[in-house]
Amino acid sequence: DVKVTQSSRYLVKRTGEKVFLECVQDMDHENMFWYRQDPGLGLRLIYFSYDVKMKEKGDIPEGYSVSREKKERFSLILESASTNQTSMYLCASIDLGGTEAFFGQGTRLTVV
Amino acid sequence: TQLLEQSPQFLSIQEGENLTVYCNSSSVFSSLQWYRQEPGEGPVLLVTVVTGGEVKKLKRLTFQFGDARKDSSLHITAAQTGDTGLYLCAGDFYSTGFQKLVFGTGTRLLVSP
Repeated sequence: DVKVTQSSRYLVKRTGEKVFLECVQDMDHENMFWYRQDPGLGLRLIYFSYDVKMKEKGDIPEGYSVSREKKERFSLILESASTNQTSMYLCASIDLGGTEAFFGQGTRLTVV
Repeated sequence: TQLLEQSPQFLSIQEGENLTVYCNSSSVFSSLQWYRQEPGEGPVLLVTVVTGGEVKKLKRLTFQFGDARKDSSLHITAAQTGDTGLYLCAGDFYSTGFQKLVFGTGTRLLVSP
């Protein structure tokens, strides 16, 4: 059974904190993605990675960075959390040339 | 930014009714997918359409890809309460040589008994 696992289901952080969201996939997929999901806005792409140590900006990268040191792990970093980053964060992976995205269960982050 | 617009944003119907959800873009996609998302979970793939004009059926769900590969529709026949959820379309395209998956704004469906 294929799996994408996000490290936390729920997180509460204070404004200004550095926040790490971890995502691990066990399918040996090349492509990994981070999205945020907000009501009425759908899923918006933050960053994606097509290989180890490689990354590309998505549509809303401001305030975020990413790290991909190993193929199976893709981390999203909020350098200095702000209240407007309160959201549901979803990680996904896709095989090279594939069309089906496999998602983690999501991390609901609240910044207070 | 590639934009996928879905309509309607919200749909509330009675069990047994039919409905159609639309996904439109000004961009051409190499493939288009439909996902369904339950509360507290990530989206799960329902279907992928690749060829312009393609029609796929999944039990009571019928998916169509526009001839120009810019739009798609999802039709549900005789909706059931179990169809309740958030439906998302997603377009697959290659940006500067890298595969990118862009999602629509979503349609929240509520089917009441």
